[in-house]
Amino acid sequence: SYVLTQPPSVSGAPGQTVRITCGGNNIGGQPVHWYQKKPGQAPVLVVYDVFARPSGIPERFSGSSSGNTATLTISRVEDGDEADYFCQVWESSRNHQGVFGGGTKLSVL
Amino acid sequence: QVQLVQSGGGVVQPGRSLRLSCAASGFTFSGYAMHWVRQAPGKGLEWVAFISYDGGDKDYADSVKGRFTISRDNSKNKIYLQMNSLRLEDTAVYFCAKGLRYSDSFYFDHWGQGTLVSVSS
Repeated sequence: SYVLTQPPSVSGAPGQTVRITCGGNNIGGQPVHWYQKKPGQAPVLVVYDVFARPSGIPERFSGSSSGNTATLTISRVEDGDEADYFCQVWESSRNHQGVFGGGTKLSVL
Repeated sequence: QVQLVQSGGGVVQPGRSLRLSCAASGFTFSGYAMHWVRQAPGKGLEWVAFISYDGGDKDYADSVKGRFTISRDNSKNKIYLQMNSLRLEDTAVYFCAKGLRYSDSFYFDHWGQGTLVSVSS
């Protein structure tokens, strides 16, 4: 089955830009979606279809993808951005299944 | 506004069964696919199951195939997850999620509050 690989953790000081990567075979050729997950809360969709943002999500959150890597970029990081972030694709080649990356813990220093 | 309110869950012994429910409001329920996603303690998100808008299509993660059944009642705006032959490794917070389709891909734009299923002897 399709595997998505994320770094376990990233960190940045308030105001800095952080990038969270998601590696997968030819991930640049398919829609990638990103979720923010805080402890005890439901996940929140922050980017869909590689770079689109749902209403209410700040422009500080942006996405890109090329080749074997998708990236979530958070500009001007704030304390409230501290959370786990998960990338997700939909596998439809063999059977229809959702696939999540292992998640990346963002720590705001 | 879209709301997904979950019920069910709790503590259950290995091998027993449990049913989760998810009540939807704020959107045309019968027009959207729905999913279940779980998160085991200290672990990442794991997609569990999918049901199409009319219930005609279903799919499951390999880890639950043959044990879990997803269903929906469009007259009640609800989806269900029947979990049989529960295992210790099924212990997790379970979320229902509304699915949106883009090309050949689904993503999840609204989520329930989550409900804990704890499988323990």
